[in-house]
Amino acid sequence: DAGVTQSPTHLIKTRGQHVTLRCSPISGHKSVSWYQQVLGQGPQFIFQYYEKEERGRGNFPDRFSARQFPNYSSELNVNALLLGDSALYLCASSLEHGELFFGEGSRLTVL
Amino acid sequence: DAKTTQPNSMESNEEEPVHLPCNHSTISGTDYIHWYRQLPSQGPEYVIHGLTSNVNNRMASLAIAEDRKSSTLILHRATLRDAAVYYCILRRGSQGNLIFGKGTKLSVKP
Repeated sequence: DAGVTQSPTHLIKTRGQHVTLRCSPISGHKSVSWYQQVLGQGPQFIFQYYEKEERGRGNFPDRFSARQFPNYSSELNVNALLLGDSALYLCASSLEHGELFFGEGSRLTVL
Repeated sequence: DAKTTQPNSMESNEEEPVHLPCNHSTISGTDYIHWYRQLPSQGPEYVIHGLTSNVNNRMASLAIAEDRKSSTLILHRATLRDAAVYYCILRRGSQGNLIFGKGTKLSVKP
């Protein structure tokens, strides 16, 4: 069975650019969450979506946005990139209740 | 959100049991205790969770103090593949977001 898939796996951007990260959840999972993990730290919660509705938002600036599509896949968008946005971006999917299944992440480097 | 406190790092020998402690003195009645682990270069993976009673699964056991202010993740026989960062997380109900701390980095020596 396919797990959570994320794309791209690695990317390099420059300051001021924008980036779109994509996530495909496990089949049957309607909830998708996004996390940012800076080197040496635990993942930090950014967004949660369920049935295309935002259910939760972490303490991130408005430059960060996300959406969920009818097939439950999701995109995370970050505008006006800063050096500090360099991180591993993790997507997790789940049923409405229950454990989260994480993808391997998208490694973003901002130069 | 209630916070957890874990040691930064621990070491274990292969094939010996490992007890990973977690303090959560501000836990509320609806908070579940979850454990996830993150192997190098991978996303976190679920290990186990519980509310009040001790729990066992194929990966580990979770021992929860009677007052629920602390818990211990038990790996019965550590293997080299168990080397990872282990996160103890309090989750509000069954839908709450996971709020990660810094976790405990477990090293396993052969």
